[in-house]
Amino acid sequence: QKEVEQDPGPLSVPEGAIVSLNCTYSNSAFQYFMWYRQYSRKGPELLMYTYSSGNKEDGRFTAQVDKSSKYISLFIRDSQPSDSATYLCAFYMDTGRRALTFGSGTRLQVQP
Amino acid sequence: DVKVTQSSRYLVKRTGEKVFLECVQDMDHENMFWYRQDPGLGLRLIYFSYDVKMKEKGDIPEGYSVSREKKERFSLILESASTNQTSMYLCASSAPDRIGNTEAFFGQGTRLTVV
Repeated sequence: QKEVEQDPGPLSVPEGAIVSLNCTYSNSAFQYFMWYRQYSRKGPELLMYTYSSGNKEDGRFTAQVDKSSKYISLFIRDSQPSDSATYLCAFYMDTGRRALTFGSGTRLQVQP
Repeated sequence: DVKVTQSSRYLVKRTGEKVFLECVQDMDHENMFWYRQDPGLGLRLIYFSYDVKMKEKGDIPEGYSVSREKKERFSLILESASTNQTSMYLCASSAPDRIGNTEAFFGQGTRLTVV
Protein backbone atom coordinates (compact mmCIF):
# COMPACT_ATOMS: atom_id res chain seq x y z
CA GLN A 1 0.00 0.00 0.00
CA LYS A 2 1.32 3.41 -0.94
CA GLU A 3 1.88 5.78 1.94
CA VAL A 4 -0.15 8.50 0.22
CA GLU A 5 -2.90 8.10 -2.38
CA GLN A 6 -4.08 10.99 -4.52
CA ASP A 7 -6.27 10.86 -7.62
CA PRO A 8 -4.16 12.24 -10.50
CA GLY A 9 -7.11 13.61 -12.46
CA PRO A 10 -7.20 15.55 -14.64
CA LEU A 11 -10.17 17.33 -13.15
CA SER A 12 -11.96 19.81 -15.40
CA VAL A 13 -14.58 22.17 -13.97
CA PRO A 14 -16.36 25.33 -15.16
CA GLU A 15 -15.43 28.69 -13.69
CA GLY A 16 -17.26 29.33 -10.43
CA ALA A 17 -17.54 25.66 -9.47
CA ILE A 18 -16.61 24.26 -6.07
CA VAL A 19 -13.64 21.96 -6.34
CA SER A 20 -12.84 19.13 -3.96
CA LEU A 21 -9.37 17.57 -3.94
CA ASN A 22 -8.54 14.64 -1.68
CA CYS A 23 -5.75 12.50 -0.33
CA THR A 24 -5.65 9.46 1.89
CA TYR A 25 -2.61 8.40 3.87
CA SER A 26 -1.55 5.39 5.88
CA ASN A 27 1.17 6.72 8.20
CA SER A 28 -0.44 7.69 11.49
CA ALA A 29 2.80 9.46 12.52
CA PHE A 30 2.12 12.31 10.10
CA GLN A 31 1.49 15.44 12.12
CA TYR A 32 1.43 18.27 9.59
CA PHE A 33 -0.76 18.36 6.53
CA MET A 34 -0.15 20.62 3.58
CA TRP A 35 -1.32 21.49 0.13
CA TYR A 36 1.10 22.73 -2.48
CA ARG A 37 0.13 24.29 -5.79
CA GLN A 38 2.30 23.86 -8.85
CA TYR A 39 1.80 25.85 -12.02
CA SER A 40 3.07 24.49 -15.28
CA ARG A 41 6.89 24.66 -15.58
CA LYS A 42 7.25 26.00 -12.03
CA GLY A 43 8.22 24.55 -8.67
CA PRO A 44 5.49 23.80 -6.07
CA GLU A 45 4.47 26.55 -3.65
CA LEU A 46 2.85 26.10 -0.26
CA LEU A 47 -0.85 26.92 -0.39
CA MET A 48 -2.11 25.84 3.00
CA TYR A 49 -0.99 23.87 5.99
CA THR A 50 -2.55 22.61 9.20
CA TYR A 51 -1.62 20.32 12.06
CA SER A 52 -4.96 19.47 13.61
CA SER A 53 -8.16 17.76 12.60
CA GLY A 54 -10.88 20.06 11.41
CA ASN A 55 -11.13 22.89 8.92
CA LYS A 56 -8.85 25.80 8.13
CA GLU A 57 -10.01 28.54 5.83
CA ASP A 58 -8.02 31.05 3.80
CA GLY A 59 -10.05 33.11 1.36
CA ARG A 60 -11.56 30.80 -1.23
CA PHE A 61 -9.57 27.81 0.06
CA THR A 62 -10.48 25.44 2.89
CA ALA A 63 -8.24 22.64 4.09
CA GLN A 64 -9.91 19.82 5.96
CA VAL A 65 -8.19 17.08 7.96
CA ASP A 66 -9.76 13.94 9.40
CA LYS A 67 -7.02 12.13 11.31
CA SER A 68 -9.29 9.31 12.41
CA SER A 69 -9.99 8.42 8.76
CA LYS A 70 -6.51 9.44 7.54
CA TYR A 71 -8.08 11.69 4.94
CA ILE A 72 -7.39 15.27 3.94
CA SER A 73 -9.21 17.53 1.52
CA LEU A 74 -8.79 20.89 -0.15
CA PHE A 75 -11.89 22.80 -1.21
CA ILE A 76 -11.78 25.69 -3.64
CA ARG A 77 -14.84 27.93 -3.81
CA ASP A 78 -15.72 30.09 -6.79
CA SER A 79 -12.92 28.50 -8.82
CA GLN A 80 -11.10 30.73 -11.31
CA PRO A 81 -9.09 29.93 -14.46
CA SER A 82 -6.03 31.11 -12.51
CA ASP A 83 -6.57 28.14 -10.16
CA SER A 84 -5.64 25.79 -13.02
CA ALA A 85 -2.59 23.96 -11.71
CA THR A 86 -1.48 20.70 -10.15
CA TYR A 87 -2.31 20.37 -6.47
CA LEU A 88 -0.12 18.18 -4.31
CA CYS A 89 -0.92 17.04 -0.81
CA ALA A 90 2.10 16.77 1.48
CA PHE A 91 2.75 15.34 4.90
CA TYR A 92 5.39 15.83 7.58
CA MET A 93 6.29 14.34 10.95
CA ASP A 94 8.59 15.76 13.61
CA THR A 95 10.30 12.43 14.25
CA GLY A 96 12.48 10.61 11.78
CA ARG A 97 13.57 12.24 8.55
CA ARG A 98 12.85 15.92 8.09
CA ALA A 99 11.42 15.72 4.61
CA LEU A 100 7.96 16.06 3.18
CA THR A 101 6.11 13.09 1.73
CA PHE A 102 4.05 14.06 -1.30
CA GLY A 103 1.03 12.70 -3.08
CA SER A 104 1.24 12.26 -6.83
CA GLY A 105 -0.72 15.45 -7.51
CA THR A 106 -4.12 16.22 -9.06
CA ARG A 107 -4.17 18.31 -12.22
CA LEU A 108 -7.03 20.84 -12.16
CA GLN A 109 -8.31 22.74 -15.18
CA VAL A 110 -10.87 25.52 -14.62
CA GLN A 111 -12.63 26.37 -17.86
CA PRO A 112 -13.66 30.05 -18.39
CA ASP B 1 12.12 37.51 -1.23
CA VAL B 2 12.82 33.83 -0.62
CA LYS B 3 14.79 32.20 -3.38
CA VAL B 4 15.95 28.77 -4.43
CA THR B 5 17.80 28.83 -7.72
CA GLN B 6 18.63 25.84 -9.88
CA SER B 7 21.44 26.33 -12.35
CA SER B 8 19.64 25.06 -15.45
CA ARG B 9 16.02 24.93 -16.62
CA TYR B 10 16.69 22.39 -19.36
CA LEU B 11 19.53 19.92 -19.87
CA VAL B 12 20.18 17.27 -22.49
CA LYS B 13 22.89 14.74 -21.70
CA ARG B 14 24.14 11.53 -23.23
CA THR B 15 23.93 8.11 -21.63
CA GLY B 16 26.98 7.45 -19.46
CA GLU B 17 27.83 11.12 -18.88
CA LYS B 18 28.42 12.45 -15.38
CA VAL B 19 25.84 15.15 -14.72
CA PHE B 20 25.87 17.90 -12.11
CA LEU B 21 22.71 19.72 -11.04
CA GLU B 22 23.34 22.76 -8.87
CA CYS B 23 21.04 24.42 -6.37
CA VAL B 24 21.59 27.57 -4.34
CA GLN B 25 19.34 29.10 -1.66
CA ASP B 26 19.63 32.53 -0.10
CA MET B 27 17.53 31.97 3.03
CA ASP B 28 20.23 30.53 5.32
CA HIS B 29 18.20 27.31 5.58
CA GLU B 30 19.79 24.28 7.19
CA ASN B 31 17.72 21.70 5.30
CA MET B 32 18.03 21.08 1.58
CA PHE B 33 16.42 18.42 -0.60
CA TRP B 34 16.49 16.91 -4.07
CA TYR B 35 13.31 15.43 -5.49
CA ARG B 36 12.47 14.08 -8.89
CA GLN B 37 9.00 14.46 -10.34
CA ASP B 38 7.50 12.03 -12.83
CA PRO B 39 3.93 11.82 -14.17
CA GLY B 40 1.74 9.71 -11.93
CA LEU B 41 4.48 9.29 -9.33
CA GLY B 42 4.55 12.74 -7.80
CA LEU B 43 7.65 14.01 -6.03
CA ARG B 44 10.06 11.34 -4.82
CA LEU B 45 12.88 12.18 -2.46
CA ILE B 46 16.36 11.36 -3.73
CA TYR B 47 18.64 12.82 -1.06
CA PHE B 48 18.49 15.45 1.64
CA SER B 49 20.88 17.29 3.90
CA TYR B 50 20.36 19.12 7.17
CA ASP B 51 23.85 20.45 7.61
CA VAL B 52 27.00 21.15 5.68
CA LYS B 53 28.79 17.96 4.68
CA MET B 54 25.88 15.86 5.95
CA LYS B 55 23.58 13.86 3.69
CA GLU B 56 20.85 11.29 4.03
CA LYS B 57 19.39 8.93 1.47
CA GLY B 58 15.82 9.42 0.47
CA ASP B 59 13.54 6.91 -1.19
CA ILE B 60 15.33 6.57 -4.54
CA PRO B 61 19.07 7.29 -4.09
CA GLU B 62 20.35 4.66 -6.51
CA GLY B 63 22.40 6.16 -9.32
CA TYR B 64 22.72 9.53 -7.56
CA SER B 65 25.06 11.19 -5.13
CA VAL B 66 25.07 14.65 -3.52
CA SER B 67 27.50 17.21 -2.24
CA ARG B 68 27.01 19.97 0.30
CA GLU B 69 30.27 21.83 0.89
CA LYS B 70 28.58 25.15 1.74
CA LYS B 71 25.35 25.83 3.54
CA GLU B 72 23.72 27.58 0.63
CA ARG B 73 24.63 25.07 -2.09
CA PHE B 74 23.44 21.51 -2.63
CA SER B 75 24.51 19.59 -5.71
CA LEU B 76 23.00 16.47 -7.20
CA ILE B 77 25.31 14.22 -9.20
CA LEU B 78 24.31 11.56 -11.66
CA GLU B 79 27.37 9.35 -11.72
CA SER B 80 26.58 7.75 -15.10
CA ALA B 81 23.41 9.11 -16.62
CA SER B 82 20.86 6.62 -17.92
CA THR B 83 17.66 7.11 -19.90
CA ASN B 84 15.51 6.19 -16.88
CA GLN B 85 16.88 9.27 -15.15
CA THR B 86 15.10 11.49 -17.63
CA SER B 87 12.87 13.53 -15.35
CA MET B 88 12.09 16.88 -13.72
CA TYR B 89 14.46 17.51 -10.80
CA LEU B 90 13.38 19.85 -8.02
CA CYS B 91 15.55 21.30 -5.30
CA ALA B 92 14.02 22.61 -2.08
CA SER B 93 15.12 24.11 1.21
CA SER B 94 13.49 24.60 4.60
CA ALA B 95 14.23 26.03 8.01
CA PRO B 96 15.06 23.74 10.96
CA ASP B 97 12.19 22.04 12.72
CA ARG B 98 10.07 24.22 14.87
CA ILE B 99 6.39 24.09 15.64
CA GLY B 100 4.35 25.23 12.70
CA ASN B 101 7.24 25.76 10.32
CA THR B 102 7.29 23.00 7.77
CA GLU B 103 7.30 25.00 4.58
CA ALA B 104 9.72 23.87 1.90
CA PHE B 105 10.68 26.39 -0.77
CA PHE B 106 11.27 24.98 -4.22
CA GLY B 107 13.38 26.00 -7.16
CA GLN B 108 11.91 26.23 -10.63
CA GLY B 109 13.07 22.75 -11.57
CA THR B 110 15.53 21.28 -14.08
CA ARG B 111 14.09 19.24 -16.92
CA LEU B 112 16.79 16.65 -17.67
CA THR B 113 16.67 14.52 -20.79
CA VAL B 114 19.14 11.67 -21.16
CA VAL B 115 19.55 10.41 -24.73
